[in-house]
Amino acid sequence: QVQLVQSGAEVKKPGASVKVSCKVSGYTLTELSMHWVRQAPGKGLEWMGGFDPEDGETIYAQKFQGRVTMTEDTSTDTAYMELSSLRSEDTAVYYCATVQGYSYGSYFDYWGQGTLVTVSS
Amino acid sequence: QSVLTQPPSVSGAPGQRVTISCTGSSSNIGAGYDVHWYQQLPGTAPKLLIYGNSNRPSGVPDRFSGSKSGTSASLAITGLQAEDEADYYCQSYDSSLRKVFGGGTKLTVL
Repeated sequence: QVQLVQSGAEVKKPGASVKVSCKVSGYTLTELSMHWVRQAPGKGLEWMGGFDPEDGETIYAQKFQGRVTMTEDTSTDTAYMELSSLRSEDTAVYYCATVQGYSYGSYFDYWGQGTLVTVSS
Repeated sequence: QSVLTQPPSVSGAPGQRVTISCTGSSSNIGAGYDVHWYQQLPGTAPKLLIYGNSNRPSGVPDRFSGSKSGTSASLAITGLQAEDEADYYCQSYDSSLRKVFGGGTKLTVL
């Protein structure tokens, strides 16, 4: 059973960066395809990007290109998502989630508990 | 504006059957890509409910079922229970945007 434990809530000022971590247990990070999804207050789910094992690279949603960086530390089985140039619209709960299945049919099977990032001056 | 369209809300009395639709286009559901469904209870992370259009992960009651036809998919819940009150999201692949979600549907058990 995969368990994903995320870092705690963050409060950031506009223009700053935030880095959220996601610690894996039950499996090693190399056995998984980790992605990130966010949810603004009272809004729906929005995919941000993640590792595509078929391409062997990290892919990002067009909306976040140039502003998000997703990395992995396989020595500690921890995934990271860093979002820069924060603005108020980035206030959201950020989830890490593992992806299962082949590329076009893949789905999110395990989710972290979420990390609230608040952007406020 | 979500790429996949869901009704904002549905409701039903305990024991009843409700369905939630998810409408896409020729670049996602209509292109043959699978649809998956998630349940999000208040204040919690989403949970996988249906994958590959109609498959239930272990532990999901058979009261939940999914189907897909053309550019749409549906989630059906029979024998509605109070604990089913949650937000439900569909998800698929889009040829331009890759992974996409529906806007979500709030289910109220009357």
